[in-house]
Amino acid sequence: QSVVTQPPSVSAAPGQKVTISCSGSNSNVGYNYVYWYQHLPGSAPKLLIYDNNERPSGIPDRFSGSKSGTSATLGITGLQTGDEADYYCVTWDDSLSVVVFGGGTKLTVL
Amino acid sequence: EVHLLESGGGLARPGGSLRLSCAGSGYTFGDYAMTWVRQAPGKGLEWVSGISNSGDATTYADSVKGRFTISRDRSKNTVNLQMRSLRAEDTAVYYCAKSSGKNFLWLGVFYGMDAWGQGTTVTVSS
Repeated sequence: QSVVTQPPSVSAAPGQKVTISCSGSNSNVGYNYVYWYQHLPGSAPKLLIYDNNERPSGIPDRFSGSKSGTSATLGITGLQTGDEADYYCVTWDDSLSVVVFGGGTKLTVL
Repeated sequence: EVHLLESGGGLARPGGSLRLSCAGSGYTFGDYAMTWVRQAPGKGLEWVSGISNSGDATTYADSVKGRFTISRDRSKNTVNLQMRSLRAEDTAVYYCAKSSGKNFLWLGVFYGMDAWGQGTTVTVSS
């Protein structure tokens, strides 16, 4: 069981918006930057958001990140079938002194 | 462009050993921390181990502590993962990833992974 919790799955129709939550504690999400990754199994994970809400160059502004207290959120607008993937939040845990991954959320674009 | 290429995966017996390597190119290898992350069949991504840019700081997940050893060779721009006492539950795709900082926690700030390799498959089975 990860110390950082994500919903196992979310779904929405093409063109719609979806949010994925990442819930932790003051030893991880609450006090450290959160990163978000998109992953298609068998391929390299892709960085979508760093430092809670910053997008690397090349990531469209349909992807956004936010954080409040011990929870972070990834938002995706204008959903496309190509967005179907697993999404992970990642941060540092001060108590465990390790990098921690959320359990991952499978996005289905109906 | 950053490029990470893993090698060394394969089949190992329970209790056996394997050594994974990851070659980095397209950036100053010695300036950034490196990590190994794995994904077991049907499971999510799991952080395994990390090493600072200088190699003098290493961290491990509890699930591999005492069995896996991470190291880096600055002359070859590689990071290695020596895996011993392998178990069936170590079966996974292993990804190498580059941190955006000198260490994953540097001066109180978390620096996550900003580039990943394609992965190498490790199967532990008799």
